[in-house]
Amino acid sequence: ETGVTQTPRHLVMGMTNKKSLKCEQHLGHNAMYWYKQSAKKPLELMFVYSLEERVENNSVPSRFSPECPNSSHLFLHLHTLQPEDSALYLCASSHTENTEAFFGQGTRLTVV
Amino acid sequence: QKEVEQNSGPLSVPEGAIASLNCTYSDRGSQSFFWYRQYSGKSPELIMSIYSNGDKEDGRFTAQLNKASQYVSLLIRDSQPSDSATYLCAAFVYYNQGGKLIFGQGTELSVKP
Repeated sequence: ETGVTQTPRHLVMGMTNKKSLKCEQHLGHNAMYWYKQSAKKPLELMFVYSLEERVENNSVPSRFSPECPNSSHLFLHLHTLQPEDSALYLCASSHTENTEAFFGQGTRLTVV
Repeated sequence: QKEVEQNSGPLSVPEGAIASLNCTYSDRGSQSFFWYRQYSGKSPELIMSIYSNGDKEDGRFTAQLNKASQYVSLLIRDSQPSDSATYLCAAFVYYNQGGKLIFGQGTELSVKP
């Protein structure tokens, strides 16, 4: 079993749909992250949760809504997305905010 | 100025050669630095972390940190075709409310047989 698991691996959604991405970590880490990776662009940090509290919201549009119910689970709720939101969405976790982060396999999102 | 900068490449080296990947960062207060490898269509995989000035070796990989010059490098000895990937440099950058892990744009490495 991998340390950080993301579901689904692939998602195609229309602009009026509502969907959620799920991330689960089995490493006993205290910090969890959502990153967006678009083609030919650096990884963009979206949200940081430390001890289940959001400590960073990197100017992300409100159509992305994170939820961290406990230290092992992280969700990204999606609604009324745009085609330019199509990207690879990566979840990561780390012991603390400034230690090495481990990534899940990612969710390849396509908005049509 | 970008917080973490890398040459996007592609960097091409022959099999068996040493590949040298470089990264600079802008925040003098950064203390934690990481190298990740990302194969096409896959998620980033941690290769090395380095926190102190100097060299850190792990198998064929050596990370080098020079805080005075604000650069981090990764050397890959005896490069193999399987090392062909994009290499991401990351630094933990401090802000007023805390900090966050910032990535460079990545350097694409191609190892030719």
